Amino acid sequence: AQSVTQLGSHVSVSEGALVLLRCNYSSSVPPYLFWYVQYPNQGLQLLLKYTSAATLVKGINGFEAEFKKSETSFHLTKPSAHMSDAAEYFCAVSDPSDNQGGKLIFGQGTELSVKP
Amino acid sequence: GAGVSQSPRYKVTKRGQDVALRCDPISGHVSLYWYRQALGQGPEFLTYFNYEAQQDKSGLPNDRFSAERPEGSISTLTIQRTEQRDSAMYRCASSLYGAGLSNEQFFGPGTRLTVL
Repeated sequence: AQSVTQLGSHVSVSEGALVLLRCNYSSSVPPYLFWYVQYPNQGLQLLLKYTSAATLVKGINGFEAEFKKSETSFHLTKPSAHMSDAAEYFCAVSDPSDNQGGKLIFGQGTELSVKP
Repeated sequence: GAGVSQSPRYKVTKRGQDVALRCDPISGHVSLYWYRQALGQGPEFLTYFNYEAQQDKSGLPNDRFSAERPEGSISTLTIQRTEQRDSAMYRCASSLYGAGLSNEQFFGPGTRLTVL
């Protein structure tokens, strides 16, 4: 069965500092991987996705993530944090061979705080 | 609007009552998903439709939960004889395609259900 682990339920960084949010997955086959962001009172918004093309994936708002098969990781990074990045971030996995339609398995989320 | 909409946004009910939660997906999207999100956790898959056909209901917790999408567009998630443990955010998502593709899911704002 697939699973996702996000290390750290809360991460706090200073404005302008590097953002690193960790995600490790467990899957018997190379999965599709996603990062979603959730702002208060809004739905989840897709930041980026890995679908077996380039291992370094660039997303919106300056975020990127690198798929590392040997480490079963898909960590999210941003070189310089902005106040508007404060939100909750979710890593998710789906099985490309899933004949049931690609349901997403989510991690528990990481809340990012950005200090001025 | 062009996004996924859900109603009501907030629902407070008494234990034992039935509730119906509605999801209106993005026009033309084939696949529709329901997730449940407890406080401090990531979304958890409940069920999934392709057009009007319920393809996977493996995530429904018990037989008090049911869902339908009779015309392949709007979907209703019904919880009968609600219990306090049913309190959560219920999220709906839709995607243009289901299985076999990169399956970007677009999420609605959710319905916050509180069972007293």
